[in-house]
Amino acid sequence: AQSVTQLGSHVSVSEGALVLLRCNYSSSVPPYLFWYVQYPNQGLQLLLKYTSAATLVKGINGFEAEFKKSETSFHLTKPSAHMSDAAEYFCAVIPGGFKTIFGAGTRLFVKA
Amino acid sequence: DAMVIQNPRYQVTQFGKPVTLSCSQTLNHNVMYWYQQKSSQAPKLLFHYYDKDFNNEADTPDNFQSRRPNTSFCFLDIRSPGLGDAAMYLCATSRDGNEQFFGPGTRLTVL
Repeated sequence: AQSVTQLGSHVSVSEGALVLLRCNYSSSVPPYLFWYVQYPNQGLQLLLKYTSAATLVKGINGFEAEFKKSETSFHLTKPSAHMSDAAEYFCAVIPGGFKTIFGAGTRLFVKA
Repeated sequence: DAMVIQNPRYQVTQFGKPVTLSCSQTLNHNVMYWYQQKSSQAPKLLFHYYDKDFNNEADTPDNFQSRRPNTSFCFLDIRSPGLGDAAMYLCATSRDGNEQFFGPGTRLTVL
């Protein structure tokens, strides 16, 4: 069965520092991969998506993610964290059909 | 702007009193989903509609039901809410199962 693993339920960075949120997926074929962000008491917002067009995917708010098939990874990065980036981040995969498989989420804390 | 709308944003009900949550969309997507999300957890899929076809997850309690009267609207009915049903309920839509677009959610409190 398809699964998504997010390493680290909590990540803390200083403002201006690099953000790295890790995601690994299990799949025998390149799936559709996504990163969503959720702010408190809000729904999920799509940050970026991988659909096999390019391995480096740029998203909103300065985030990007790189698909690495050999590592079955899709880590999310941002060069310089901002206080407004503090939120919950979910990696997700569509293995096929209509369902999306979500990772457990990573809470990002940004320190001033 | 095309969007997914959920009403109300906050709902308070009493233990055992039926409640209905509403979702509407202007994206004209053919798939609509309902998720339950508890604190610090990933969203848990309850069911989805592909057009008019209803698909229930195997572990969704019978207490949860849904209706989709037309393409734009979808409702979540909780027949007899228990304390354990207090959560954020998220509606989402997609075109043919591709990336999902989420509404802002309804936070349900059960007293």
